Amino acid sequence: DIQMTQSPTSLSASVGDRVTITCRASQSIATYLSWYQQKPGKAPKLLMYAASTLQNGVPSRFSASGSGTDFTLTISSLQPDDFATYSCQQSYSRPWTFGRGTRVEIK
Amino acid sequence: QVQLQESGPGLVKPSETLSLSCSVSGGSIGTYYWNWIRQSAGKELEVIGRIHTTGNTIYNPSLKSRVTMSVDTFKNQFSLRLRSVTAADSAIYYCAREFTYVDAYDVWGQGTMVTVSS
Repeated sequence: DIQMTQSPTSLSASVGDRVTITCRASQSIATYLSWYQQKPGKAPKLLMYAASTLQNGVPSRFSASGSGTDFTLTISSLQPDDFATYSCQQSYSRPWTFGRGTRVEIK
Repeated sequence: QVQLQESGPGLVKPSETLSLSCSVSGGSIGTYYWNWIRQSAGKELEVIGRIHTTGNTIYNPSLKSRVTMSVDTFKNQFSLRLRSVTAADSAIYYCAREFTYVDAYDVWGQGTMVTVSS
C-alpha cells in the first residue's frame, strides 16, 4: 500500500494566518491526491482533488499544489471555521490510502 | 442533494459479524461506486472496499477475507458485513460515494460508531 505522511501532526495558528500543510507519498502518485477537512464528530469533507482543483463550494482561500510525491495544502488567511483536521488521500493505486491528518488549532 | 445515512448495531461481540447498511437519498444509487471507510481512534481513515450497482466489488486486501458488500438498487442502499470481528475493528464506520470523475469521495454519511466488546 502507498503510505501517506503528513506534517506537521498539529499546528497552532491565529485567525488571518497563512497555513501550509504538507503530504508526502511513499511513491510517485502523479497528481492523484485529494484533501479533506474533518471537524470533531463530523464526516470528512472533500476540499481539493487532482492535487490542485478546488471542489465546488470550497472557499478560494484554500489552495493546493504538488505532483509526484510531495504535496501542499495552503489556507491563505485562516478563518474561525477552518479550525479542523486536514487529511490527504491518494487515488493512484488501490487500496486508496489516507494520511493521519494535521490538526489545525487556535493559538 | 445526495445524502447518505448509516445504520446498524453500535455494539458487536468478538468473533461475531458486524453488519451495517447505508441508505442513499436525494438521488439514484446507480452509476456510482459506493464505499465503506472506517476510522479507529487516533488512526487514519481506512478504506474497507467499494461496490458498484452491477455488484462489482473491490476490497482492501487486508480485510478481504472477512468482508462482503452488497447492494440493493430497489431500496437504494448498500451494505457491509465484516466477519470474525475483534476489538481492532472498533471504529467509526462511514459510507461514502466515490466520484470517479475526480477520484475522490465527494459525499459521506455522518458515520456510525461500532464497538466490539463482550
